[in-house]
Amino acid sequence: GAGVSQSPSNKVTEKGKDVELRCDPISGHTALYWYRQSLGQGLEFLIYFQGNSAPDKSGLPSDRFSAERTGGSVSTLTIQRTQQEDSAVYLCASSIAGGIHEQYFGPGTRLTVT
Amino acid sequence: AQSVTQLDSHVSVSEGTPVLLRCNYSSSYSPSLFWYVQHPNKGLQLLLKYTSAATLVKGINGFEAEFKKSETSFHLTKPSAHMSDAAEYFCVVIHTGTASKLTFGTGTRLQVTL
Repeated sequence: GAGVSQSPSNKVTEKGKDVELRCDPISGHTALYWYRQSLGQGLEFLIYFQGNSAPDKSGLPSDRFSAERTGGSVSTLTIQRTQQEDSAVYLCASSIAGGIHEQYFGPGTRLTVT
Repeated sequence: AQSVTQLDSHVSVSEGTPVLLRCNYSSSYSPSLFWYVQHPNKGLQLLLKYTSAATLVKGINGFEAEFKKSETSFHLTKPSAHMSDAAEYFCVVIHTGTASKLTFGTGTRLQVTL
């Protein structure tokens, strides 16, 4: 079956602009995660959605970052007023449930802020 | 707080020789640990996971890891390296409970030479 998909694969934007990154999880997976991979910070957790529960936003680096998950499926990560330090690869993962179940990762969106 | 430390940022081996990628963990209680692999321009893939069952865990592509509580280690090994093993490897600990987020080590880049 299809894996986790993300779009766009690459995004170049000017400093100060807003961007939206999309994630389509594996069908039937109730848990969805966003991570960020950057040279300076490595791989870091951003936000976690599990079913209809309130998301865990503890990893979001600033209030410029937000995410939503509509209908328990597709998720959008929004970065407002982008800064150069936001340049990174944004990874989405899904799992059949929370806990220690395997997280399946998408290919990522490479964001470059100029 | 739980964390993992990957002791080598870069490891180089010859094809056909053993692979050892080292990881130490820090946790106030028994952790769940994973190894993920990331090939160039590809998504993260789970190699294996330890969840307090057998301490010797076998994964895909001939990799295995042994959980040693006395040494707080979870080293990844493979008896014979193949060129296709060249990739970045991440040791990961999961935070159980309501927020099932992964905490990644800094990664070890494995180079395999002829």
